[in-house]
Amino acid sequence: QVQVVQSGAEVKKPGASVKVSCKSSGYTFTSHGISWVRQAPGQGLEWMGWISTYNGNTNYAQKFQDRVTMTTDTSTSTAYMELRRLRSDDTAVYYCARDLMANWGFVDAFDIWGQGTMVTVS
Amino acid sequence: EIVMTQSPATLSVSPGERATLSCRASQSISTNLAWYQQTPGQAPRLLISSATRAAGIPARFSGSGSGTEFTLTISSLQSEDFAVYYCQQYNDWPPSFGGGTKVEIK
Repeated sequence: QVQVVQSGAEVKKPGASVKVSCKSSGYTFTSHGISWVRQAPGQGLEWMGWISTYNGNTNYAQKFQDRVTMTTDTSTSTAYMELRRLRSDDTAVYYCARDLMANWGFVDAFDIWGQGTMVTVS
Repeated sequence: EIVMTQSPATLSVSPGERATLSCRASQSISTNLAWYQQTPGQAPRLLISSATRAAGIPARFSGSGSGTEFTLTISSLQSEDFAVYYCQQYNDWPPSFGGGTKVEIK
């Protein structure tokens, strides 16, 4: 079945970097873009950025433009999100989410979500 | 950036009753709106996109609206429906979410 599985929880010091992975299975990885969405404790959902799994093009939220890098490894069907210069307010659950439409390449809804990765900055 | 506003923040409903949730966009988004359900400790789940139910979503969930005003209706609330619901626009970059509506047991 279609699923995405994320890497485990992380604890980081302020100023450090974190890299979260998101491994897809059950579908053609390069057919659907991947977005990263985070959720601070008790708060709502915040979109961070998107990557085309087809050609690696990215679109980052302005808020994270200078601190985030999204990449993919098509050989392992894995997407990565690295966030640098961590601050305490980056403490959140980070989700990867698959674009609903195949071969679309534009802003979309998200039909498959990873289980989330808790990143604690302290 | 398109701002999405959900109301009410909390909705108290008895099991078996109808729930109506609202979502407003700061500018027209046509019908490019999705609804998600999130239960505690779980990832969001796609319910509806462009007023079409996602695979496996029960018929008691329905979405309507276009332009700037949208509604999610749950016709008869079941115990598993008590959760937080988010709307999301995907008409333009960046995609944006509403602040959520918590549906709680009355």
